[in-house]
Amino acid sequence: GAVVSQHPSRVICKSGTSVKIECRSLDFQATTMFWYRQFPKQSLMLMATSNEGSKATYEQGVEKDKFLINHASLTLSTLTVTSAHPEDSSFYICSARVWQAATDTQYFGPGTRLTVL
Amino acid sequence: QKEVEQDPGPLSVPEGAIVSLNCTYSNSAFQYFMWYRQYSRKGPELLMYTYSSGNKEDGRFTAQVDKSSKYISLFIRDSQPSDSATYLCAMTWGGGYQKVTFGTGTKLQVIP
Repeated sequence: GAVVSQHPSRVICKSGTSVKIECRSLDFQATTMFWYRQFPKQSLMLMATSNEGSKATYEQGVEKDKFLINHASLTLSTLTVTSAHPEDSSFYICSARVWQAATDTQYFGPGTRLTVL
Repeated sequence: QKEVEQDPGPLSVPEGAIVSLNCTYSNSAFQYFMWYRQYSRKGPELLMYTYSSGNKEDGRFTAQVDKSSKYISLFIRDSQPSDSATYLCAMTWGGGYQKVTFGTGTKLQVIP
């Protein structure tokens, strides 16, 4: 299957700093990538949809100025959490659209655990 | 009412048992249905993908969709301790470019 990687896998930062998370499609080109966050014992909540070469589409309630998304190439999307606060601590997961054979779905990265002190 | 309802469990079964995981949904526009497996502190891994009512089998896994009842199931035969994980049902009304709506996940533990 398609492989999606994320970096870093874990990050701890101080309150007020910015953190960048990278999402890469390793063996395919992804015109569409998605960013989710997951709180403990809860399901994945979509934050935004990222299309290569255009502005991201954010879900209702997600601050676009706080969660900056850049999809500069067909294999890389980045999420920057600006001025992070403890309530931003969460598990962030990206996914990429994969369309092969009869399957048009999303493959997920391994996630990035962000802890804001 | 949530769009997708899934029993969070936990569900504990002995090794070798048949496991049944279920989800119900309310939005009849959903056409594509997936099951993901998520190990602790890892991203979801796609297990099954289907877009029609009926059964789809892949090894020990069988996905079942009943659109008339808005009900989907995942069956795991001969369950193994390595199957212990959280299983998420997911669905979308379009293809992979569309927003995926997830269930809350069912935590499964297979006891050796």
